[in-house]
Amino acid sequence: GQSLEQPSEVTAVEGAIVQINCTYQTSGFYGLSWYQQHDGGAPTFLSYNGLDGLEETGRFSSFLSRSDSYGYLLLQELQMKDSASYFCAVSSGGYQKVTFGTGTKLQVIP
Amino acid sequence: NAGVTQTPKFRVLKTGQSMTLLCAQDMNHEYMYWYRQDPGMGLRLIHYSVGEGTTAKGEVPDGYNVSRLKKQNFLLGLESAAPSQTSVYFCASSFHTGSGVAKNIQYFGAGTRLSVL
Repeated sequence: GQSLEQPSEVTAVEGAIVQINCTYQTSGFYGLSWYQQHDGGAPTFLSYNGLDGLEETGRFSSFLSRSDSYGYLLLQELQMKDSASYFCAVSSGGYQKVTFGTGTKLQVIP
Repeated sequence: NAGVTQTPKFRVLKTGQSMTLLCAQDMNHEYMYWYRQDPGMGLRLIHYSVGEGTTAKGEVPDGYNVSRLKKQNFLLGLESAAPSQTSVYFCASSFHTGSGVAKNIQYFGAGTRLSVL
C-alpha cells in the first residue's frame, strides 16, 4: 500500500520561509502533489513534481527526489493568509489513484 | 463555470437511514473521486471512477456504494448510515495533461458535512 509522512504542525513568522517535508512509500509512483486547505474549505492544488528537482510557482516551490522518496514544499515571504493545512499526495497505479498524507497545519504568526 | 458542485452541503441522519450524495462537474473531466476527511486523518479515498460506467474501490470503501452513469456525475450512497460515517465528504475530479509529465491535478467540491446520530 501507500504511506506518506509529514509533520503535523509547523509555526513560522510572517515574512519568513518555511519548508514542509513529505516522505512516502508507494508502488507505481508517478508524482507528488501539494494541496492547501483553509479551515472549513476545500483542498486546492498548489504544485506537482513528476521528475526530480525544483518546481517554482510564485512564492511556492516544491522539490522531489524520487531516489529518496522525499519531497518538500517551500513557502517564501510568508503571509498571514498562508495559515492553512498543507497536504502532500502521491499519484500511483497509472496516475489515476491519489493518496493523501495526513496534512501539516501551518500557523503564521506576526 | 461552476467547477465541482456537491449537494447537499449539510445533512444529519439517524443510524440506519440511507442517503445519496451528488457530485457534478462541468469541466469534462474523465476521473472522479470521493474522499472522506476526519480530524487529523487527512483525506481518505472511498471510491473513484476513471470513466463513465466504471468505478473502483479506494482505501475505505466499506459501507459505501457509487455510480457513474453520466460522465459529469458521480454519486455516493450510504445504504445504512452508521455513526462512524460522520465526516466531511469531498468529491474531486481530474484530468491528465497527456503530454510531457503526466499529472493528476484534482479539483475539489466544497464538501458535504454529514452527521450520523
